[in-house]
Amino acid sequence: DAMVIQNPRYQVTQFGKPVTLSCSQTLNHNVMYWYQQKSSQAPKLLFHYYDKDFNNEADTPDNFQSRRPNTSFCFLDIRSPGLGDAAMYLCATSWTGGETQYFGPGTRLLVL
Amino acid sequence: GESVGLHLPTLSVQEGDNSIINCAYSNSASDYFIWYKQESGKGPQFIIDIRSNMDKRQGQRVTVLLNKTVKHLSLQIAATQPGDSAVYFCAENPGGSYIPTFGRGTSLIVHP
Repeated sequence: DAMVIQNPRYQVTQFGKPVTLSCSQTLNHNVMYWYQQKSSQAPKLLFHYYDKDFNNEADTPDNFQSRRPNTSFCFLDIRSPGLGDAAMYLCATSWTGGETQYFGPGTRLLVL
Repeated sequence: GESVGLHLPTLSVQEGDNSIINCAYSNSASDYFIWYKQESGKGPQFIIDIRSNMDKRQGQRVTVLLNKTVKHLSLQIAATQPGDSAVYFCAENPGGSYIPTFGRGTSLIVHP
């Protein structure tokens, strides 16, 4: 089945230790998104790729970076995780403009 | 009953009842609306969508109503089941944008 896959499902890291979360998709969608979601809140968009074009949200901290080496894969790098970065990180895809997003199961990040 | 506080608004219903979840959107230019269901520990899942040229759209056990005059969206779930317990988010896409804006979310609790 076509889907969005996130690995790992749970990630524990230490304060200040870089961490990478991965997302892959078999939908062949050209737009990929990364969201941060904290408890009882709506997903907050960090950035997205439209094909190879990277689009950063204005309030996304510099601590968060992303890479999209090809259509199928997208990575979220957190260079120096702080305690406040503990959250669920959601990857989503969509086909071009204004259409439904397909979400992965999320990666739960814990920062010790 | 429904309650709003520091946490997510919560709607509690009995199994078999009909549920109505409301959402007020902010952008009069939005022309595409989506309802997502998010179960605990999972990513949001698409339920139903509606475009601004429609007032009502029905799916299996779900109906979305759109009132553009007052910028209001509602999700009706017929014969609510325990498996419907989740957080429900509405999202709006302004015309020409593929970046949705998520609403606050409502927690639906179904009591057997």
